[in-house]
Amino acid sequence: AQSVAQPEDQVNVAEGNPLTVKCTYSVSGNPYLFWYVQYPNRGLQFLLKYITGDNLVKGSYGFEAEFNKSQTSFHLKKPSALVSDSALYFCAVRDDSGYSTLTFGKGTMLLVSP
Amino acid sequence: EAGVAQSPRYKIIEKRQSVAFWCNPISGHATLYWYQQILGQGPKLLIQFQNNGVVDDSQLPKDRFSAERLKGVDSTLKIQPAKLEDSAVYLCASSLRAGTSSYNEQFFGPGTRLTVL
Repeated sequence: AQSVAQPEDQVNVAEGNPLTVKCTYSVSGNPYLFWYVQYPNRGLQFLLKYITGDNLVKGSYGFEAEFNKSQTSFHLKKPSALVSDSALYFCAVRDDSGYSTLTFGKGTMLLVSP
Repeated sequence: EAGVAQSPRYKIIEKRQSVAFWCNPISGHATLYWYQQILGQGPKLLIQFQNNGVVDDSQLPKDRFSAERLKGVDSTLKIQPAKLEDSAVYLCASSLRAGTSSYNEQFFGPGTRLTVL
């Protein structure tokens, strides 16, 4: 069975500082990894994905994530946080088989203070 | 491009009542998903359709939940009878097609927030 762990319920960072939201995963086979963001009363919005290739993936709104196979991690990063980045972030994983479904972590609330 | 539409946005019912949620996926998307998101948790897949066929319903509580996608477009998720623990946000998502080794991104609707009293 596949699983995702987001060890932090909340991450606090000051505007302009770098941010990291942590994610580790477990999956049989090759992982497909994703980050989604959820704003209040909104659905999930896709940020970025790792399927294959370069371990550093760049996504929307200046976010990036680094795939580390040996540590089974896929941490989300941004060099300079904005107050508008405050939201709930979900990491998700699936394997590379045809009908594999997404498994989400429990989410990490990111709060960026002015 | 219009996104995934869901209705209603909010619903409050008493336990043991019935409720239905509607989803209209992005035009041309063959795959449709229903997720349950309980407060403080990530979304959990309830059921996945490929066109009008069910691909995965292993986590759907079939004694009370049902879903259909009769014409391969719109979908309805029903709960009958509702329990207190069904209080959650129900998210619908769609993607171009599943069943291949390549990945087609899932696009999510705004969700329906259900409160069972």
